[in-house]
Amino acid sequence: EAEVAQSPRYKITEKSQAVAFWCDPISGHATLYWYRQILGQGPELLVQFQDESVVDDSQLPKDRFSAERLKGVDSTLKIQPAELGDSAMYLCASSLGTSGFYNEQFFGPGTRLTVL
Amino acid sequence: KQEVTQIPAALSVPEGENLVLNCSFTDSAIYNLQWFRQDPGKGLTSLLLIQSSQREQTSGRLNASLDKSSGRSTLYIAASQPGDSATYLCAVRLGGATNKLIFGTGTLLAVQP
Repeated sequence: EAEVAQSPRYKITEKSQAVAFWCDPISGHATLYWYRQILGQGPELLVQFQDESVVDDSQLPKDRFSAERLKGVDSTLKIQPAELGDSAMYLCASSLGTSGFYNEQFFGPGTRLTVL
Repeated sequence: KQEVTQIPAALSVPEGENLVLNCSFTDSAIYNLQWFRQDPGKGLTSLLLIQSSQREQTSGRLNASLDKSSGRSTLYIAASQPGDSATYLCAVRLGGATNKLIFGTGTLLAVQP
C-alpha cells in the first residue's frame, strides 16, 4: 500500500542549530502539505505545495523556516536557527489534488523534533 | 475565522461500551469533514471522510454524522475495545484552492479492559 514517507522519525537538536526534515509523498500526488503539531494540540498547516509551487505559506515563520519541493515530488522543510518553541511533531501529507474527490489528505508518520 | 472544538478532551470507558465523540465548528461553509485517529507519537490515520452533502458515513464499528447547518459532527464507536485507545481528531476542510484542513484539539480515549 502506498504511504507517505518521512525522515528522520526523531530529531534532537540544540537551539540555534539548523535542522531539516524530508518527505516523500505518495506517487502521483500533486499536492503536498507540511503541518506542525504541538503536544496536546491539533496539527496546523505550515505550507502547501501544488507541484513545485507554494499555494499557502501564510502560517510559516519565514524568518527561520523554509520549504522547497524543487522537482514537484519530494520536499524538505528546514528550520534555521531552531528555537525551544519549535519542539513539536512535524507531519507531512499529500493528496492527488485539491478539488472534488481528489482532495483527501494522507499523512506520514511524522518527525518528532526536540530542541534543547 | 474557522474554529474547531472537540468535547470531551479526554474520556475513559470500560471495554464493550458504546461511546460518542463530539466535534463542533464555527463556520458551516465547509467542503467536508474528516475524522482521524492518532496513536501516541505517531502520524494520523484517516477513519472517515464526510462530504458536505452527506449526513453520515460508516466503517465497521465507526459511524460519523454531520450536521453542517448546526456546525456539529459526532463519531460513534460501538462495542469499544482496548485497541481503540488513541487520540481522535476531527478536521474540517475549507473550500478553495488551498484545500486547508482545520483541526480540533482532539479527544484522548482510553478503553479499560
